[in-house]
Amino acid sequence: NAGVMQNPRHLVRRRGQEARLRCSPMKGHSHVYWYRQLPEEGLKFMVYLQKENIIDESGMPKERFSAEFPKEGPSILRIQQVVRGDSAAYFCASSSESGGGETQYFGPGTRLLVL
Amino acid sequence: EDQVTQSPEALRLQEGESSSLNCSYTVSGLRGLFWYRQDPGKGPEFLFTLYSAGEEKEKERLKATLTKKESFLHITAPKPEDSATYLCAVQPRGSGNTGKLIFGQGTTLQVKP
Repeated sequence: NAGVMQNPRHLVRRRGQEARLRCSPMKGHSHVYWYRQLPEEGLKFMVYLQKENIIDESGMPKERFSAEFPKEGPSILRIQQVVRGDSAAYFCASSSESGGGETQYFGPGTRLLVL
Repeated sequence: EDQVTQSPEALRLQEGESSSLNCSYTVSGLRGLFWYRQDPGKGPEFLFTLYSAGEEKEKERLKATLTKKESFLHITAPKPEDSATYLCAVQPRGSGNTGKLIFGQGTTLQVKP
């Protein structure tokens, strides 16, 4: 009964490189959310996806960040040309439905460090 | 603007010393209020969902309650293993709200033996 899986758990990048974060939702879940937790700050919503569709990206920075959830495979959060301010913990959550108060279950997170 | 405020930021208790954590919210209609526990270096772990004022839920030493403006997480006779950061989140209702959660800053609880 696997929960939400994320990899890698830790990622180190130099400024200007690309970071790719992966998330596999819980079995039977088709709704994926990405959140970011900056040091000493709370969790902030970034993007909500269903298979092959971005539903809400209101929390995504306008540049350098993108997300996808292909028909096959995990959801990917991509950060291009990383800067030091991107250093944070990135969490993925999944739910069976959305918008009706359904519980979101979180993965262990990917901790990104930009040198 | 939808907002969640948790207090206190940090709480130190002796083992067995009961207390409550507060979560105040302002939201344009509430679909649900969620409590999570987060241990250092880990992802949030789901505890409770509350949907309407007056609702209560319990699990072991924890009890969550909800009013129209706030929620409380009561911890009865805590043990050291209850030490963690407790997160409160709301899911707003209304057009354009697609299920995203709005989190408070959390309350970090330390229970000393």
